Amino acid sequence: NAGVTQTPKFRVLKTGQSMTLLCAQDMNHEYMYWYRQDPGMGLRLIHYSVGEGTTAKGEVPDGYNVSRLKKQNFLLGLESAAPSQTSVYFCASSGVGYGPKSLYIYEQYFGPGTRLTVT
Amino acid sequence: ELKVEQNPLFLSMQEGKNYTIYCNYSTTSDRLYWYRQDPGKSLESLFVLLSNGAVKQEGRLMASLDTKARLSTLHITAAVHDLSATYFCAVDIHTSYGKLTFGQGTILTVHP
Repeated sequence: NAGVTQTPKFRVLKTGQSMTLLCAQDMNHEYMYWYRQDPGMGLRLIHYSVGEGTTAKGEVPDGYNVSRLKKQNFLLGLESAAPSQTSVYFCASSGVGYGPKSLYIYEQYFGPGTRLTVT
Repeated sequence: ELKVEQNPLFLSMQEGKNYTIYCNYSTTSDRLYWYRQDPGKSLESLFVLLSNGAVKQEGRLMASLDTKARLSTLHITAAVHDLSATYFCAVDIHTSYGKLTFGQGTILTVHP
């Protein structure tokens, strides 16, 4: 099992260029997430998906779009890159487990990250 | 809006010493997660804490959850250099489909 993979690992863009980041998981997970990590701010959720064909906005969605055409893949697009989008991007996936008192558990497994620089 | 705050943000420890990282959150939640991140690497799940009073231990790390105080702690016992990393706590609320809100992270450095 490869777990969660991300492509590419590094990318440098000029302001205004576009690109797509690919996330793939082989664990048959329903839920997938895109986060960005900036120094001193932890990780912040960009978009997420609760199943094939669904997407929803997270905490910081502006400037990004996503698609989940296949269950195993979750794509993150930047239509017109800006320097403020320089960051490390992590994809994660989770299934659903069950804890006490019928609690749902969404333990997330993270990909290796993509370091994006926009100049 | 859910807020998650960790302290300290930076922790420099000597090998063999004990210390605690604190994670406070602002909204009722029964689920709290701790992750470890090595420099330039991805996040590794350490603990999943469910319900009040939950305690989990793995090696020199022990995590606990007090949902009434909205507080989780990560206690480090007899630190060793291999524990040097950034530690994150993260919280999701009951109806959130697992959307995590992360703390800022605590950068732990263990010195000989």
